[in-house]
Amino acid sequence: DVKVTQSSRYLVKRTGEKVFLECVQDMDHENMFWYRQDPGLGLRLIYFSYDVKMKEKGDIPEGYSVSREKKERFSLILESASTNQTSMYLCATGGGLQETQYFGPGTRLLVL
Amino acid sequence: QKEVEQDPGPLSVPEGAIVSLNCTYSNSAFQYFMWYRQYSRKGPELLMYTYSSGNKEDGRFTAQVDKSSKYISLFIRDSQPSDSATYLCAMTLRSNDYKLSFGAGTTVTVRA
Repeated sequence: DVKVTQSSRYLVKRTGEKVFLECVQDMDHENMFWYRQDPGLGLRLIYFSYDVKMKEKGDIPEGYSVSREKKERFSLILESASTNQTSMYLCATGGGLQETQYFGPGTRLLVL
Repeated sequence: QKEVEQDPGPLSVPEGAIVSLNCTYSNSAFQYFMWYRQYSRKGPELLMYTYSSGNKEDGRFTAQVDKSSKYISLFIRDSQPSDSATYLCAMTLRSNDYKLSFGAGTTVTVRA
C-alpha cells in the first residue's frame, strides 16, 4: 500500500518566517510533486522533481523553493512566508498513467 | 479563462440518486482524462481515467468523454453517503505526462 506522509497536518506561522514542509514516500517513485489547493482554483503545481537533486518549476513557483536530497523525501520551502501563501499544500508521488499520482493527506498552512 | 472549468456545486442528492458531474476544457490537445475523489481532510485519490471519447464503466461509476465538445462527465449510480466527497477532474496532454490540469472540484453530499 502506497504511503505518502507529510510532516504536519496543520501549521500556523507568522509573516516573514521560513517554513519547511516535508513529504516522505515509501514507494520508490521517481517523481514527486508539490501542489497548493485553494477554493475555486483547484490544484496548482508549485514544483516537481523527477530525480534526486533535480527539480523543475511548475505553474506557480514564486515564493517557494524545493529540496530533494534523497529519493524518498521532497521538501517545500517558503523562504519568507506571506499571508497569500495561506493554503492547503499537497504532496504527490508517481506520475503518468502507468503510475498514478498518489497524494499525501495535505498540510493546512495559516500565515498570520 | 481557466483551462479546465468545473462547477463547484455544492451538490446535495438523496441516497440512491444518480450524481452527474461535469467539466469543460479549452485545450483541444488534452488526450487523457481523470477523475479524482477527495474526502474531507484527505488527499485526492484516483477514481477513473480514460483516453478516448465514449464511456468507461467501473462499478457504479461511469466516465464519459466527448472530445468534439471538449466536455467530460462522471456519473455515480445508486449513490451512497460514502460517496460524499469533492470530485476533481484532471486532464493531460500525453501519457506519462507529469503535468495535470485540474478542475476546481465539485463538492457532493449524499443524504441518507
